Amino acid sequence: AQSVTQLGSHVSVSEGALVLLRCNYSSSVPPYLFWYVQYPNQGLQLLLKYTSAATLVKGINDFEAEFKKSETSFHLTKPSAHMSDAAEYFCAVNGQGAQKLVFGQGTRLTINP
Amino acid sequence: DGGITQSPKYLFRKEGQNVTLSCEQNLNHDAMYWYRQDPGQGLRLIYYSQIVNDFQKGDIAEGYSVSREKKESFPLTVTSAQKNPTAFYLCASSMGQSSTDTQYFGPGTRLTVL
Repeated sequence: AQSVTQLGSHVSVSEGALVLLRCNYSSSVPPYLFWYVQYPNQGLQLLLKYTSAATLVKGINDFEAEFKKSETSFHLTKPSAHMSDAAEYFCAVNGQGAQKLVFGQGTRLTINP
Repeated sequence: DGGITQSPKYLFRKEGQNVTLSCEQNLNHDAMYWYRQDPGQGLRLIYYSQIVNDFQKGDIAEGYSVSREKKESFPLTVTSAQKNPTAFYLCASSMGQSSTDTQYFGPGTRLTVL
């Protein structure tokens, strides 16, 4: 069984500041991890995914995430926030051999000018 | 352009009525999925299909039905048995059944029961 916990339903940062969105997972098998972004009233778009290659994964729009097995974490970061980053972000896990993606509850990111 | 289309974007239904949400993909993907999104609850899987003429229940299938008669189409029917159908519905597809396959999402349909 797999599960995902996203710490903080709302995160607010200033434009130009570091973005850090937290994701912890639980999986009984080696996990594959995904970050998606959702803009208002739209579908989800893949930012990046970890599939057991490099532990530091780079995605679109300068986002990156690091898989840390010892901490069961896959936190999403971006060095400098932009106003266009305001959206909801979802972390998801799929386990080796599993067929269902399990999503966290989402984190709404607000960017202050 | 390849992608997933969902229609309609907004849908209103009276209590007691069945309604069907459309999902079409031209990505030549084998697998398709339906999710329900409610505020603060993330996405929950309703049904998924790995191949034509086959589908499986997800975590919250009660009150919903699907069909997969064509590879590119996976319509979802919300029946009158669904107690609280007002939600945002998202369709997705992936190339295959591998756990590493990326799911690509449509723009969603917002269903409101009046």
